[in-house]
Amino acid sequence: GAVVSQHPSWVICKSGTSVKIECRSLDFQATTMFWYRQFPKQSLMLMATSNEGSKATYEQGVEKDKFLINHASLTLSTLTVTSAHPEDSSFYICSANPSGTDTQYFGPGTRLTVL
Amino acid sequence: GNSVTQMEGPVTLSEEAFLTINCTYTATGYPSLFWYVQYPGEGLQLLLKATKADDKGSNKGFEATYRKETTSFHLEKGSVQVSDSAVYFCALSIQGGKLIFGQGTELSVKP
Repeated sequence: GAVVSQHPSWVICKSGTSVKIECRSLDFQATTMFWYRQFPKQSLMLMATSNEGSKATYEQGVEKDKFLINHASLTLSTLTVTSAHPEDSSFYICSANPSGTDTQYFGPGTRLTVL
Repeated sequence: GNSVTQMEGPVTLSEEAFLTINCTYTATGYPSLFWYVQYPGEGLQLLLKATKADDKGSNKGFEATYRKETTSFHLEKGSVQVSDSAVYFCALSIQGGKLIFGQGTELSVKP
C-alpha cells in the first residue's frame, strides 16, 4: 500500500516552453501533497505544500508564478513549470501523506531537462 | 529552529561489514523521525520510522532508536550487502507534515 506515482518519469523540453508533472496517490487519499526538487548529489529541497481544494503554500524563494501547483482531487496534484529555462533542469519529486498520518510516501521522481 | 545533521559520506564498506550512519537533530516539540533510502535514479523509499522517545524502528535488517537524551537517530545494520548501496536520508517531521531532511549519506558496499 501507500504508492505514489509520477508522470512523466523524464522529460526534455525547449527553453521557454511549459511542462506539467503529475503526482498521484494510487491507493490512498491525500489532502496534502508536497513538491521537492533535488540537484545532483544533494538533499531534497521543499518547494511547496499542495492542499486539496485550496492554494498551495510555497517555501521562501520559490516563485509561485513559475511553479504552478494544482491539487484538484484527493489523489492528484500537478506541478507546471512555466517558461522553463535550463536552470530549471532538476529532479522533481512529490510525496503524499495518507490522511491522518505523518508519514510521507514519495513518488519515483521526474527528471526535467531544459535545452 | 528545526534541523537534521548526518555524517558525511561517501561511506564505503565491504560486504557483511557493520554499518552505522549517524544522525542528530534539533527540534521544538516531539517530532517523528524517519530514515529514507534513495537508490540511483529513483525517488525516496521509507526505510523505517519512530514516533516517540525510545521507539526503535526496524526494517530489512536496519534499525534506529529514537534517543531524546542525545537527540539522535543513528541508523545501523549488522551485515550490509552490495544491494544496500544507496543514499540514506534522515528526516524529522514538523507541524503541517513537512519533512526536514539531512544532507544524505551515500553508502557504497563492495563485494
